[in-house]
Amino acid sequence: GQQVMQIPQYQHVQEGEDFTTYCNSSTTLSNIQWYKQRPGGHPVFLIQLVKSGEVKKQKRLTFQFGEAKKNSSLHITATQTTDVGTYFCAGIMGNRDDKIIFGKGTRLHILP
Amino acid sequence: ETGVTQTPRHLVMGMTNKKSLKCEQHLGHNAMYWYKQSAKKPLELMFVYSLEERVENNSVPSRFSPECPNSSHLFLHLHTLQPEDSALYLCASSQGQGAGYGYTFGSGTRLTVV
Repeated sequence: GQQVMQIPQYQHVQEGEDFTTYCNSSTTLSNIQWYKQRPGGHPVFLIQLVKSGEVKKQKRLTFQFGEAKKNSSLHITATQTTDVGTYFCAGIMGNRDDKIIFGKGTRLHILP
Repeated sequence: ETGVTQTPRHLVMGMTNKKSLKCEQHLGHNAMYWYKQSAKKPLELMFVYSLEERVENNSVPSRFSPECPNSSHLFLHLHTLQPEDSALYLCASSQGQGAGYGYTFGSGTRLTVV
């Protein structure tokens, strides 16, 4: 079936280092969304990408949608302790059902 | 506060109990969702309601029964649950149902079945 794979599953980085999580879909996506869930919290919508090759920035976060609209990445520059949490991508298939499929997430841990 | 309120925040229930989870949103959204979040699994969509009408049921066992009396409220009725049903149950809403709308999640109900 349709899947959205995220890697890595876990990532430990030293505070100040960069971090990247990757999202890959088995099928072409209509849109992709990214969410952040803090420990003990709930997913919070960060951004949506729609266009092929689109790049969007939110302060230290850079989101990219692949040319083929089958992959996406989230890059955090100079991580801070507030970046701790799990980052989920969610692919929207764009077929008649407009089904949204979440990846398993990448859990980011910051070492002080 | 996210705009989507879930109660209770925590719930412990026996396998023979009946309980209900409540979700409320006043964002003017037209679609509401129930998700199950278990450790090491992706978010699992359980039910989708659009304009108070159920549009999707992802083969969820009948021991979970949703109810959407109006566009602002969503319930999940629970009965004769199993220990493997222990999870975080998240309610979400969106402006419309389908591509292009980000979800606003509630804080979730942490359910433990004993």
